[in-house]
Formats: sequence, C-alpha cells, structure tokens
Amino acid sequence: AQSVTQLGSHVSVSEGALVLLRCNYSSSVPPYLFWYVQYPNQGLQLLLKYTSAATLVKGINGFEAEFKKSETSFHLTKPSAHMSDAAEYFCAVSESGNEKLTFGTGTRLTIIP
Amino acid sequence: DVKVTQSSRYLVKRTGEKVFLECVQDMDHENMFWYRQDPGLGLRLIYFSYDVKMKEKGDIPEGYSVSREKKERFSLILESASTNQTSMYLCASRAPGQGGSPLHFGNGTRLTVT
Repeated sequence: AQSVTQLGSHVSVSEGALVLLRCNYSSSVPPYLFWYVQYPNQGLQLLLKYTSAATLVKGINGFEAEFKKSETSFHLTKPSAHMSDAAEYFCAVSESGNEKLTFGTGTRLTIIP
Repeated sequence: DVKVTQSSRYLVKRTGEKVFLECVQDMDHENMFWYRQDPGLGLRLIYFSYDVKMKEKGDIPEGYSVSREKKERFSLILESASTNQTSMYLCASRAPGQGGSPLHFGNGTRLTVT
C-alpha cells in the first residue's frame, strides 16, 4: 500500500533563506511522486512530479525536489524564499497501475519578512 | 490548460438535507475524483470514477455517493448531510496513464452543515 509522511505541519523561514519541506513515502513498487501547492481559497496546483526519469526534478517558481530511493524521500527545496511562497504544500504518491493518488497531511509554509 | 470547475465555492446546508456538489472538466479525462480536505488530515479520497457510470470507493466513502452520467461531469451526493461533513471538497480529473499523470483540481467547495 502506498502512503506519504510529511514531517512538520508548519515551517517558517525568513525571506531569502533556504526552503526545505520533507516528504517520505512508502510504496511496494517504483512510485510516481508529486508536489502540489495550495494558495488560500484555491485548489491545488502541480509544482513538480517525478516519473522515473531524472532523480532531480525542477518545477515551477524555482522549486525542485530530489528522489532518493535509498531514503524513500522526495524533499522539496527552494534556494531563496519569497513572500509569495507562503502557502500549503502537499506531497503525493501513486503507483504504476494505480489511478489513485495518496496525499500527505500537508505543510504550511510561512515566510518571515 | 485543463479546467476543472466546481459549481459552488461556498455552500451552507442544514442537517438532514440532500446535497449535490457538481464538478465539470473540459479535457475529456477518463478519471475523476472527489477528495475532502480537513486541517491536519490532508486530502482524503471519497470516491473516484474511471469511466462513465463506473465508480470506486475511496478511503472514506461512508455517507456519500457519486454519479457519473457523462464523461465531463462527476457529482458528489450527500444523502443526508451531517455536521461532521462540514469540510472543503475538492474535485480533480486526470488522464489515465499508469499512475504518472498529475491530477488537475478545481477551486473547491467549502460546505458548512448546520
């Protein structure tokens, strides 16, 4: 069965500092992994996805994530936080042949001016 | 761009009412999903559909049903609304593709049951 754990329900970083949001997954087969962002009063938007090509995936708005099979992790990073990055971030996993995505519980990112 | 439209942004209903949440997508996607989002719980799958008139239970189907009479439309039905169904409801669609295609979400319906 597939599952996702996001460590830290709330993360605060200063503007210009490194953003690191953690995601660990469990999957019985090679997974597909996704990061989504949700701004207030909106639905979820895709930031980036891993689908077994390059292990370092670049997404929109300067975010990237690295797939590490040995650590079963897919952490999201951005070198320099911007005020507009304040939002909630969700990691998700699906497996080949499984049309369902399983989501983590989300991490709310706050940017300190 | 894929557009997923949920008919209502905010909805207030009384306990015991039958509630319909409507969702339409314009990209001819076979797969459609209903999730509910609650603080601290993330997104939980209620039902999904992989074709017209086909449906499958998700993780929390109790108290809900769905209808998919046309490919572009997927409705979530609360047969008898209860206060514990107060939540944000998110509809999504996805092209089939062995799990690698992303979900496209609507903007959500915030339902309050009083």
